Amino acid sequence: KAGVTQTPRYLIKTRGQQVTLSCSPISGHRSVSWYQQTPGQGLQFLFEYFSETQRNKGNFPGRFSGRQFSNSRSEMNVSTLELGDSALYLCASSFTRDTIGNEQFFGPGTRLTVL
Amino acid sequence: SQQGEEDPQALSIQEGENATMNCSYKTSINNLQWYRQNSGRGLVHLILIRSNEREKHSGRLRVTLDTSKKSSSLLITASRAADTASYFCATDLVQGAQKLVFGQGTRLTINP
Repeated sequence: KAGVTQTPRYLIKTRGQQVTLSCSPISGHRSVSWYQQTPGQGLQFLFEYFSETQRNKGNFPGRFSGRQFSNSRSEMNVSTLELGDSALYLCASSFTRDTIGNEQFFGPGTRLTVL
Repeated sequence: SQQGEEDPQALSIQEGENATMNCSYKTSINNLQWYRQNSGRGLVHLILIRSNEREKHSGRLRVTLDTSKKSSSLLITASRAADTASYFCATDLVQGAQKLVFGQGTRLTINP
């Protein structure tokens, strides 16, 4: 099976712009989670989608949003970009929502740089 | 704030030696997972240990979990240059939700 894919891999934007990142989970996986990784804050949970519904959300402002499509592919959007949004954005997929013994598979990430 | 705290933050050893990393967490967990990350790339799942397990092995990896001390350790035996990476522990706090809380990680360097 193909792994989790994320596009684009690298992105450069300027403050005030918006950006959309895409994640394609492993075939058959229905749960997709997003994480932000920065040197200062480390890895932080953004949100989780399952069956096209947001099930869980981290402590991020409303500028961060996402959605999931019927084929389980997910997108996340960041509006009005700030310098602090520069980060590696990681997507993870799993078969179910149950974390008991359920591994999450991560994609390679999208490196976003905000100038 | 981070749920997990890894110790040490950085570790440098010679190839062939064993590497031990520790992780402490604050609240009750369902399970604890260890991940590896190479140079700002994606995370690779290494091993998952459930809260009712005390020790687990996978190849050269050995993970222990002490729920009374809220701590876990990852031992990599006979280290190789390819083991150079950052290692993170992650805990799940909410059953039925794909939400992992990561520590800050240990940066492991294996010197040839």
